[in-house]
Amino acid sequence: AQSVTQLGSHVSVSEGALVLLRCNYSSSVPPYLFWYVQYPNQGLQLLLKYTTGATLVKGINGFEAEFKKSETSFHLTKPSAHMSDAAEYFCAVSDKRRSGGGADGLTFGKGTHLIIQP
Amino acid sequence: SQTIHQWPATLVQPVGSPLSLECTVEGTSNPNLYWYRQAAGRGLQLLFYSVGIGQISSEVPQNLSASRPQDRQFILSSKKLLLSDSGFYLCAWTPGANVLTFGAGSRLTVL
Repeated sequence: AQSVTQLGSHVSVSEGALVLLRCNYSSSVPPYLFWYVQYPNQGLQLLLKYTTGATLVKGINGFEAEFKKSETSFHLTKPSAHMSDAAEYFCAVSDKRRSGGGADGLTFGKGTHLIIQP
Repeated sequence: SQTIHQWPATLVQPVGSPLSLECTVEGTSNPNLYWYRQAAGRGLQLLFYSVGIGQISSEVPQNLSASRPQDRQFILSSKKLLLSDSGFYLCAWTPGANVLTFGAGSRLTVL
């Protein structure tokens, strides 16, 4: 069974500071990994994904994440936080073997609420 | 382009009343469709998914049911709501490669 752990339900950073949101996963097979962002009272939006190939993945809004197999991690970073980055962020892992191209094998973390202080 | 619609956006219902949330997808055919529930501090829980008309898979036993009467329509229902059914319900579809596209959500409050 796969699982996702997001360390810290709330993370607070100052505007202009580095953003680091942590995600660790467990999976019995090489996973697909995702970060989604959710603004208040909205659905989730894909930030970035890792499937195969380059382990450093760049996404929208200046975010990037690095897949580290040895650490079973997929932490999300952004060099300089902006007020508009305040949102809930979800890490997700997919068991490719089970999912068969669909998303029924997708497991989400519990989310990290990112707070940006002026 | 593909779009996904959910309604109603917000709903306040008394305990024991029925529920119907609707989701439709435009601009694609035979999508995989999903219902998730988001409760405070508990992340996203997959409730149902469907790979085709009339085909529903349930991930967790509960007070809810789902139906797919048309290719691009997915309905979440309950005959009698419980307090614990309160939450933010999200419909999603996938164009493939495990990527989900979500609707704007329906916030249900059961009183």
